[in-house]
Amino acid sequence: KAGVTQTPRYLIKTRGQQVTLSCSPISGHRSVSWYQQTPGQGLQFLFEYFSETQRNKGNFPGRFSGRQFSNSRSEMNVSTLELGDSALYLCASSLQGASSPEAFFGQGTRLTVV
Amino acid sequence: GQNIDQPTEMTATEGAIVQINCTYQTSGFNGLFWYQQHAGEAPTFLSYNVLDGLEEKGRFSSFLSRSKGYSYLLLKELQMKDSASYLCAVYEAAGNKLTFGGGTRVLVKP
Repeated sequence: KAGVTQTPRYLIKTRGQQVTLSCSPISGHRSVSWYQQTPGQGLQFLFEYFSETQRNKGNFPGRFSGRQFSNSRSEMNVSTLELGDSALYLCASSLQGASSPEAFFGQGTRLTVV
Repeated sequence: GQNIDQPTEMTATEGAIVQINCTYQTSGFNGLFWYQQHAGEAPTFLSYNVLDGLEEKGRFSSFLSRSKGYSYLLLKELQMKDSASYLCAVYEAAGNKLTFGGGTRVLVKP
């Protein structure tokens, strides 16, 4: 069974640009969550989608947005990039329900803003 | 607010035992996860504790005390490949959200 796939693996952007990252969850998983990982702040929750609806959102500015498609694939977008947005962006998929909440992570997209 | 604390770094010798502590104060709690993350790789699942007590899985064990807001991950018979970061995370079912601690980098020396 294929794991969580994130594309692209690496990105370099300049300040002020926007970027779109993609995540394909494990087949059958309908929940997709996004996290930002930096050396200083660790892993921080961005948002979670289930059945094309955002159910939860972390404390990030409105420049960070996302969406989920009917096939459960998800994208996140960051507009007006800042140097501080340089990070590893991780996507995780899981089954619905507290009985099986284990999140499976993708390899991440490493974004560098210059 | 959410507060999850774990040591930043630990060093141990191959074959030894290391215990990584995690304390938490969160508004919601439905369980506690431990993940392992090697440098440049995705976090991988190690354990999930919902009820108080010890869960053993091979060389790795995880303990939870909900009344004390405390968990630990025990790594036995350490191997060089265990050198990695270990992440403690509180799970909240509402919103299917994980809140992570800063991670503990474990260095295993020969």
